[in-house]
Amino acid sequence: ETGVTQSPTHLIKTRGQQVTLRCSSQSGHNTVSWYQQALGQGPQFIFQYYREEENGRGNFPPRFSGLQFPNYSSELNVNALELDDSALYLCASGDRESTGELFFGEGSRLTVL
Amino acid sequence: TQLLEQSPQFLSIQEGENLTVYCNSSSVFSSLQWYRQEPGEGPVLLVTVVTGGEVKKLKRLTFQFGDARKDSSLHITAAQPGDTGLYLCAGGPNDHGSSNTGKLIFGQGTTLQVKP
Repeated sequence: ETGVTQSPTHLIKTRGQQVTLRCSSQSGHNTVSWYQQALGQGPQFIFQYYREEENGRGNFPPRFSGLQFPNYSSELNVNALELDDSALYLCASGDRESTGELFFGEGSRLTVL
Repeated sequence: TQLLEQSPQFLSIQEGENLTVYCNSSSVFSSLQWYRQEPGEGPVLLVTVVTGGEVKKLKRLTFQFGDARKDSSLHITAAQPGDTGLYLCAGGPNDHGSSNTGKLIFGQGTTLQVKP
């Protein structure tokens, strides 16, 4: 167990709706990253937060946004959901002063109908 | 764009056999990590290698980082059904300090099935 918890574990939305996914980082970690993992694929980097600011972003449109709170918990928000947004969304926490190791939560499985 | 390619994508073997999974790129990475993921769960870190030519062993698993830090391999000796899962390699981009940014580039994964 990594100490990273995510909620909800599963959810179903319809096209055009908005979704918020939540993550609680491992104690002592100061970064949180979000990844999207489509079925049968490796995770794709969405963005990372450090000290409550976005610190690196992957190739995802602006309708993917996030927040990091002072207690290092985080949210991923996705607006105007599309069918292709159906995926496992993974949160990972880490220590910026380490060798880049990440510790993942179990993910939130989003299905868009 | 940095990419990591894993091979093979699927592997089905009998218990007791040996296997090797490869992770290759044309780009240099500051570090490389191997994860194992089971259905419905997040990836679990197995090992991190940071030095070209580095070899690390974790029980029956042997990990190697290429001399040029562009590739890596995972060798499993005497595979067991408990080794079944998705094996992912992930690289930290070779930008200054970016190994700590949390931006890992993942391969597409190798699905391993070990039959009893």
